[in-house]
Amino acid sequence: QSALTQTPSASGSPGQSVTISCTGTSNDIGDYNYVSWYQQHPGKAPKLMIYEVTKRPSGVPDRFSGSKSGNTASLTVSGLQAEDEADYYCTSYAGSNSLFVFGTGTKVTVL
Amino acid sequence: QLQLQESGPGMVKPSETLSLTCSVSGDSIRNDLYYWAWIRQAPGKELEWIGSTFHTGTTNYNPSLKSRVSISMDTSKNQVSLRLSSVTAADTAVYYCARDRRKYYYLDYWGQGTLVTISS
Repeated sequence: QSALTQTPSASGSPGQSVTISCTGTSNDIGDYNYVSWYQQHPGKAPKLMIYEVTKRPSGVPDRFSGSKSGNTASLTVSGLQAEDEADYYCTSYAGSNSLFVFGTGTKVTVL
Repeated sequence: QLQLQESGPGMVKPSETLSLTCSVSGDSIRNDLYYWAWIRQAPGKELEWIGSTFHTGTTNYNPSLKSRVSISMDTSKNQVSLRLSSVTAADTAVYYCARDRRKYYYLDYWGQGTLVTISS
């Protein structure tokens, strides 16, 4: 199972919005609504930001939202803040043999 | 508050077996809602799921690592263990344990991670 494809980098000024895409196939993102997104600051553990495509865990600001269309999932960060600067990884269920397939990662820079 | 803490040797020789332990506090690893997972991240690379285990003994492994990996639990100590055999430099990575919400396929709590370097 190949990694999901993410744009390597994205950026925006404080207060702006940035959208990150995660492209898979009909065997993963396209076939299941089990896409999740993780934020990782340098040297830190990943943090769950979105699960089941659109749901936010308790404590995650509503500035973070998720969506899916076909084989591509997206994470949008609205009202960018300095602390949103981090790496973001998507993951999707890909069947019984590939329970978690991660994306290649996107580095978000707040200008 | 759930906490996960990885521990084990920071360096392992090539061809030997990497062994790590994840100590869980704030939840029982016998909780029927959750599996317990290991994930790794090579320097500058993306995350890679290694495998997950349930307290009944059910395990799932990444097909690319299945021949070399074993994940087990010690419910008396509330610990989850990882063993990866015949390691090479390509296995150098930060290894994380995480709680796996299997019904919805997400990882909601992670340990801080431990760096394991494969070197002679």
